[in-house]
Amino acid sequence: KAGVTQTPRYLIKTRGQQVTLSCSPISGHRSVSWYQQTPGQGLQFLFEYFSETQRNKGNFPGRFSGRQFSNSRSEMNVSTLELGDSALYLCASSLILAGGGEQYFGPGTRLTVT
Amino acid sequence: GESVGLHLPTLSVQEGDNSIINCAYSNSASDYFIWYKQESGKGPQFIIDIRSNMDKRQGQRVTVLLNKTVKHLSLQIAATQPGDSAVYFCAERDNAGNMLTFGGGTRLMVKP
Repeated sequence: KAGVTQTPRYLIKTRGQQVTLSCSPISGHRSVSWYQQTPGQGLQFLFEYFSETQRNKGNFPGRFSGRQFSNSRSEMNVSTLELGDSALYLCASSLILAGGGEQYFGPGTRLTVT
Repeated sequence: GESVGLHLPTLSVQEGDNSIINCAYSNSASDYFIWYKQESGKGPQFIIDIRSNMDKRQGQRVTVLLNKTVKHLSLQIAATQPGDSAVYFCAERDNAGNMLTFGGGTRLMVKP
């Protein structure tokens, strides 16, 4: 069974631009969660989607948004990029809501904002 | 590989020794806890979980202990191997929110 895939793996953007990251969950998984990982703040929860609906949201500004499609694939978008948005963005999928069971993480997208 | 933390606490052990990684959590309402392992360049990988109605759970070479009185979680790795070198995170779930909150992580270095 294929694991969680994320594209692109690396991305360089300029301040003020926007970016869209993609995540394909494990086949059959309906929950997709997004996390931001930085050396200073560690792993922080962004949001979770289940059956195309956002079920949980972390403490991030409205510049961070996401969506989930009917095939469970998910995208997250960051608008008006800031230098502090440079991070590893991780996506994780699970059969049920993330808090209820095992999550499987993708390798992440490394975003660098210059 | 990816750097997951420049200032993580580090535990250095000799190959073959047992390792104990600790995690303190703050939310007494948390009812589910997970340990993850993250190797350089990879996403976190599930190791073992435990629910709040238990105080110990064992897996293959790993044991998780939960002390709800002092809000403390530990991961014990028996006969540590070089392949165990990674950053280890604990995560907790708030029984109301269904969200996972991750700890800051501990870097485990295994000396051959």
